[in-house]
Amino acid sequence: NAGVTQTPKFQVLKTGQSMTLQCAQDMNHNSMYWYRQDPGMGLRLIYYSASEGTTDKGEVPNGYNVSRLNKREFSLRLESAAPSQTSVYFCASSVSLAGAYNEQFFGPGTRLTVL
Amino acid sequence: AQTVTQSQPEMSVQEAETVTLSCTYDTSENNYYLFWYKQPPSRQMILVIRQEAYKQQNATENRFSVNFQKAAKSFSLKISDSQLGDTAMYFCAFMNYGGSQGNLIFGKGTKLSVKP
Repeated sequence: NAGVTQTPKFQVLKTGQSMTLQCAQDMNHNSMYWYRQDPGMGLRLIYYSASEGTTDKGEVPNGYNVSRLNKREFSLRLESAAPSQTSVYFCASSVSLAGAYNEQFFGPGTRLTVL
Repeated sequence: AQTVTQSQPEMSVQEAETVTLSCTYDTSENNYYLFWYKQPPSRQMILVIRQEAYKQQNATENRFSVNFQKAAKSFSLKISDSQLGDTAMYFCAFMNYGGSQGNLIFGKGTKLSVKP
């Protein structure tokens, strides 16, 4: 099992450019998440998808869109990148059984720089 | 809204010694989980230890143990016999019990350096 994979690992954009961060998991998990990590900060939730076909905003959704393409894949899109979106982006997934502990498994992260 | 506070931005410890990282949190919920995550220079987020709020017994995982004080909303991590490989950022995190979104709320982290 590869677990949670993210592409690309590194990316440099110019202000105003768009791009999509890809995330896939092979653990048959129901829920998937996108976090961002800024210097000196912990991870903050951008968007999540509790199950295939649903997405919801997290703490810091502005400037982002997401797509839950299927059960395996959850992409994060920056339509018009801004320097404030320079960050490390983490994808995570979990089984999400009701009333149970659901550990989140994290991908390796994508370091994005917006110039 | 829940918040997690780590008041020690950086700490250092000599190899083989013991170190304690502090974490406090604020919530009005009664059932929840608390976690410590390790993030080495590779950036990978690694779950170190988990505590369920309804359990009075403190969680332990080999050299890692926690001191969970529910009334004080305190959740510290003790690392015994520190090893060079323990050098990393450590994040305290909170999750509501049974939430379908499983939203993790993180503190700002403590950078731990283990010195030879």
